[in-house]
Amino acid sequence: QKEVEQNSGPLSVPEGAIASLNCTYSDRVSQSFFWYRQYSGKSPELIMSIYSNGDKEDGRFTAQLNKASQYVSLLIRDSQPSDSATYLCAVHFSGNTGKLIFGQGTTLQVKP
Amino acid sequence: SAVISQKPSRDICQRGTSLTIQCQVDSQVTMMFWYRQQPGQSLTLIATANQGSEATYESGFVIDKFPISRPNLTFSTLTVSNMSPEDSSIYLCSVNSQNSEQYFGPGTRLTVT
Repeated sequence: QKEVEQNSGPLSVPEGAIASLNCTYSDRVSQSFFWYRQYSGKSPELIMSIYSNGDKEDGRFTAQLNKASQYVSLLIRDSQPSDSATYLCAVHFSGNTGKLIFGQGTTLQVKP
Repeated sequence: SAVISQKPSRDICQRGTSLTIQCQVDSQVTMMFWYRQQPGQSLTLIATANQGSEATYESGFVIDKFPISRPNLTFSTLTVSNMSPEDSSIYLCSVNSQNSEQYFGPGTRLTVT
């Protein structure tokens, strides 16, 4: 059973702080990793993709991947109240089915 | 990324009836996916719909309950059949882009009474 695990939270951080969201996955040969943001009542929005070990930065967001430890994280710098949402980690496991497996999501609350 | 629309955006249905949800994409895509998101839960894949072939269903989902059509490369439908209150969920379609990225439609919020 291929699994993706996240701490459901809520994770509460003050405005301006760094929010750190974590995700582990079960299949060592996974190739592609994604972070989605989902506001209440809305559909998931892709915010980061990462495919190789190391860090990938996009604005205030940094995704970090460690395939040896089967761990992917998302850092949000200078957190804003508008970042308050559920963050979903998704993994494309090996094979060409195109399927993604989603974690249960971490709810982030950024307090002014 | 592709622009995806879904109809209806929401509906309230009586148990025992069926609802067909439409998903339209503004460009041709090979794979389309249907997900369910129950209240307070994450996304669960129902099936993968490829044009010209039968949909591939995930464990726990069957064609009689969730028939899917994929008549062309820009359109798909998901029917929720013989509904019960347990089918109350948000139903989402998504499409593949390069590097396995997926983009989601706005969702259909279904309430079964």
